[in-house]
Amino acid sequence: GAVVSQHPSRVICKSGTSVKIECRSLDFQATTMFWYRQFPKKSLMLMATSNEGSKATYEQGVEKDKFLINHASLTLSTLTVTSAHPEDSSFYICSAGGIDTQYFGPGTRLTVL
Amino acid sequence: QKEVEQDPGPLSVPEGAIVSLNCTYSNSAFQYFMWYRQYSRKGPELLMYTYSSGNKEDGRFTAQVDKSSKYISLFIRDSQPSDSATYLCATRLSGGSNYKLTFGKGTLLTVNP
Repeated sequence: GAVVSQHPSRVICKSGTSVKIECRSLDFQATTMFWYRQFPKKSLMLMATSNEGSKATYEQGVEKDKFLINHASLTLSTLTVTSAHPEDSSFYICSAGGIDTQYFGPGTRLTVL
Repeated sequence: QKEVEQDPGPLSVPEGAIVSLNCTYSNSAFQYFMWYRQYSRKGPELLMYTYSSGNKEDGRFTAQVDKSSKYISLFIRDSQPSDSATYLCATRLSGGSNYKLTFGKGTLLTVNP
């Protein structure tokens, strides 16, 4: 139980394009999902908290117009990186709030050329 | 002072050794404590979840929480090469899993065959 999936697992795009990453809770409903970014050999950096049916709450320093988050259902949240640039290249991980704690997806590696 | 302090290591042990991983935290309001294991290029996997002080055992893993000293530990018995990963401690306030986690930086563990 408590499985979270992400799609795609890896994406390479050209600078200036937008990329959408999906996060799904497969066997439970999550009113809250979280989006993290992780740089090599660094810990997780929380970007935003996504609540089903309402606007996401962004952490300080995260551009909400650049990282669009939609949590349309209790099992799906999406992160769209708009007008991606090479500095947006990173490992993006989502998590979903289960009964007791957060369960993480496998991550999406984004490379912007 | 960071809210959660964790020695990043790296820590290298021979197969079969007992591994001790530790974190300290500063906010006495933290009530829930977790250990996640993260393999390279993967999302974190929940290992142990404890509430308040005490011990919890699951197979070769034992988690300890000492709220009086704000100290949390993870012990791995009979360590295996497959245990080689980064271990992240995390805490959160009381309430539901909708609350964000505060992570340590992670400890990189290598178990040598």
